[in-house]
Amino acid sequence: DAGVIQSPRHEVTEMGQEVTLRCKLISGHNSLFWYRQTMMRGLELLIYFNNNVPIDDSGMPEDRFSAKMPNASFSTLKIQPSEPRDSAVYFCASSLELAGTTNEQFFGPGTRLTVL
Amino acid sequence: AQSVTQLDSHVSVSEGTPVLLRCNYSSSYSPSLFWYVQHPNKGLQLLLKYTSAATLVKGINGFEAEFKKSETSFHLTKPSAHMSDAAEYFCVVRLMNTGFQKLVFGTGTRLLVSP
Repeated sequence: DAGVIQSPRHEVTEMGQEVTLRCKLISGHNSLFWYRQTMMRGLELLIYFNNNVPIDDSGMPEDRFSAKMPNASFSTLKIQPSEPRDSAVYFCASSLELAGTTNEQFFGPGTRLTVL
Repeated sequence: AQSVTQLDSHVSVSEGTPVLLRCNYSSSYSPSLFWYVQHPNKGLQLLLKYTSAATLVKGINGFEAEFKKSETSFHLTKPSAHMSDAAEYFCVVRLMNTGFQKLVFGTGTRLLVSP
């Protein structure tokens, strides 16, 4: 298995532009997590899905951010319009959630976003 | 509320000497605790996890951690550091007030290993 796949690995854009980050889950996993990592705030959970349904989006910074899971294996995180303060590394993670167990989250390599 | 506190932002050791990365937790429940490692420009990788079984947990790459309820600690140790251990380490607690695996990460400890 190739693991969690994220694209692009690096993104440089100008303020005001739309940015779309992509994530492909590990085959067979049913949960998807988007995280943001910055020096100031560390690693923050933005949103997570279980079986394609958004369970908790309380970490999404504001309405400029949106996330979708159009199918069981793929997710997008969109920022529109982007701002310089959105510059960060965005990680996607997947896991297999089973009732009564604690399972590992597998992280992708991240997308480093720079908004100028 | 459940949380973790990593007591050191940086730890420096020499190659071949022991490693100790400290973590204290706060939880009203019996917690599930993890240590993750992040190498430069990489994603996070699970080192080990504690889920109320054995209090001494062995992980990958020779790391282990001991759950001590009386001290509310879950410190990460390794007998002998390698240069390849230089990375950032995160102590993590699973929130237990939901049915799903929501994790809360500590602020991280950067391990520096000198020759």
